[in-house]
Amino acid sequence: NAGVTQTPKFQVLKTGQSMTLQCAQDMNHEYMSWYRQDPGMGLRLIHYSVGAGITDQGEVPNGYNVSRSTTEDFPLRLLSAAPSQTSVYFCASSLGPFNEKLFFGSGTQLSVL
Amino acid sequence: AQSVTQPDIHITVSEGASLELRCNYSYGATPYLFWYVQSPGQGLQLLLKYFSGDTLVQGIKGFEAEFKRSQSSFNLRKPSVHWSDAAEYFCAVGEVGGSNYKLTFGKGTLLTVNP
Repeated sequence: NAGVTQTPKFQVLKTGQSMTLQCAQDMNHEYMSWYRQDPGMGLRLIHYSVGAGITDQGEVPNGYNVSRSTTEDFPLRLLSAAPSQTSVYFCASSLGPFNEKLFFGSGTQLSVL
Repeated sequence: AQSVTQPDIHITVSEGASLELRCNYSYGATPYLFWYVQSPGQGLQLLLKYFSGDTLVQGIKGFEAEFKRSQSSFNLRKPSVHWSDAAEYFCAVGEVGGSNYKLTFGKGTLLTVNP
C-alpha cells in the first residue's frame, strides 16, 4: 500500500496563477481532508469530504475549491493564488470520520510570489 | 466551536528526563481527543486517542495521556525521553454533529532533546 500520496512535493507560483494539489489514497478510506500548516498556527482544516460526491468547508476554505468524484482522489484547487496561500499543505484520510486514525501525506510546500 | 490550547510553544528536556506536554481544550460535550507527532519534513502520526472509558490512555513509543474533565486537559507524558522523540507535538479535539466531522488542532509544542 502506498497510503496517502500527495503531488507535487514543492511548487512555486506567481500571484494569480491557478494550480491543483493532488491527493490520492489506496486504502478505500471514506474520509479525506486538506489542512494547511503555517508557523505558529498549527494545522487548520481547509475542506473535507465524508465520501464520494460529498464535501464541506473547514476553518479556512476561502480561495480553495475541492471535489470528490472518486473515493480515491481528493484534489485541492487554487483558482487564483495569493501570497497568503504560501504554506505547507497536508492531505489526510481515514476509514471513517475523524475519530478514526488519520493517515497523512508527506505534504506539499507551496510558495506564491 | 471547539478549541485547543497548547501553552508551551517550545520545551527542552535532557535525554532520560521525564516529559509532560500540556493541552487544554474547550468543547461543550465529551470530547474526542488526540495527540499527533510530526517529525521534520514529515506528515503527522497518531500517538494516542481518547474517546471514552479509562481516562489514562496508552499510545505508541511509550507515551501516555490523561484526560481530566474537571481541568479540561489532556496532557501527554513520557517517563524517559529519547533523543528520537525530538519533534513537534500536536493536540487535537474532534467535533461530531450531523454531517459535521471537524478536527481542530492546537498550535503545537516543539520538543528539543539535549544529550
